[in-house]
Amino acid sequence: SAVISQKPSRDICQRGTSLTIQCQVDSQVTMMFWYRQQPGQSLTLIATANQGSEATYESGFVIDKFPISRPNLTFSTLTVSNLSPEDSSIYLCSVEGEMTGPGYTFGSGTRLTVV
Amino acid sequence: RKEVEQDPGPFNVPEGATVAFNCTYSNSASQSFFWYRQDCRKEPKLLMSVYSSGNEDGRFTAQLNRASQYISLLIRDSKLSDSATYLCVVNSGSSYKLIFGSGTRLLVRP
Repeated sequence: SAVISQKPSRDICQRGTSLTIQCQVDSQVTMMFWYRQQPGQSLTLIATANQGSEATYESGFVIDKFPISRPNLTFSTLTVSNLSPEDSSIYLCSVEGEMTGPGYTFGSGTRLTVV
Repeated sequence: RKEVEQDPGPFNVPEGATVAFNCTYSNSASQSFFWYRQDCRKEPKLLMSVYSSGNEDGRFTAQLNRASQYISLLIRDSKLSDSATYLCVVNSGSSYKLIFGSGTRLLVRP
């Protein structure tokens, strides 16, 4: 399966600032996914990032708050903008591509705390 | 009703026990089914895909009942290292989008 390098692993940010999370995959993948896992909760899909087109956002998530870049088939970034304490969560990227086999592989996650 | 429902547990079992987790899903058009394992403060990792015919991987057996929209995971001869949260995951109809259950926590005690 694919190997994903996600960074930063954790950060503490001030309200009103932004955090950009990066995911690098060791193989080319068609789609990359960004998830949020709030404390004690399961994973919720934020958006799907496709190379060469705008990301597709799920209900409740908007581009102004969660801008995404996908410059090539191995890399994506998620920015969490205008941070508030409610954004404190774990953010994970995931891939499912032709080469990764069944199921989806996740990055190690970014633990964000907003103070 | 949640799209994917699981008993949150926790299941507290002794080493060597057999434990079963159940999961139900609401979208009859779902095609892909998985069990993931998530350790504390770690990312989810694929445990096994679930097929209509049922599948087994060592001590783990997964089964799918499409008519009842029900998925199960059986763990035999539990080990301490099996302690984790087990996530039932289903794709949303015919799309690639995954829906995660809230997870079932397993604690295996010595």
